[in-house]
Amino acid sequence: KNEVEQSPQNLTAQEGEFITINCSYSVGISALHWLQQHPGGGIVSLFMLSSGKKKHGRLIATINIQEKHSSLHITASHPRDSAVYICAVPPYGQNFVFGPGTRLSVLP
Amino acid sequence: DVKVTQSSRYLVKRTGEKVFLECVQDMDHENMFWYRQDPGLGLRLIYFSYDVKMKEKGDIPEGYSVSREKKERFSLILESASTNQTSMYLCASRQDLRAFFGQGTRLTVV
Repeated sequence: KNEVEQSPQNLTAQEGEFITINCSYSVGISALHWLQQHPGGGIVSLFMLSSGKKKHGRLIATINIQEKHSSLHITASHPRDSAVYICAVPPYGQNFVFGPGTRLSVLP
Repeated sequence: DVKVTQSSRYLVKRTGEKVFLECVQDMDHENMFWYRQDPGLGLRLIYFSYDVKMKEKGDIPEGYSVSREKKERFSLILESASTNQTSMYLCASRQDLRAFFGQGTRLTVV
């Protein structure tokens, strides 16, 4: 079993739709990162969260440490949100473990 | 603005060449990492460093070496480039739980 799993693997949405990407992990952690990677580009860290919820513009991230689950929501999606979204966890004192990524395409 | 800067966005090298990929961070972070990213395989750790002159092998170190002579600079070295090292290479730095990534270097070995 992979230590970090994401669903869905691929997601196509129409502009304006509400989008949810899920991340489940099996290792003990103190925080989780959501990363965004545009085609051909580097990685940008969107959120680091250890409890509850964080919001940045149209992006909302939630985490439930007890259930080992996090979600990334995008409200009023836009074609520029098209990217690969990756969740990453640093197990206590160790290096990051990355999820496989969710490829999102938002169509105009 | 915090920054992790990789020296090249795109590189094309010939088989057998020695290749240097440079990464510089301006946040005084102790921890720095090199990953490669391939379709279907995700991000895989090549090497990391917790301090100057300190290095540790990651999951796929074969064919690579690293150098950390100064805290801000972490170099990845391909001693003799091969076509199976064609990939996207990403550098990251980390302090506690906060991590920052570079823009990536897409290396093609022909």
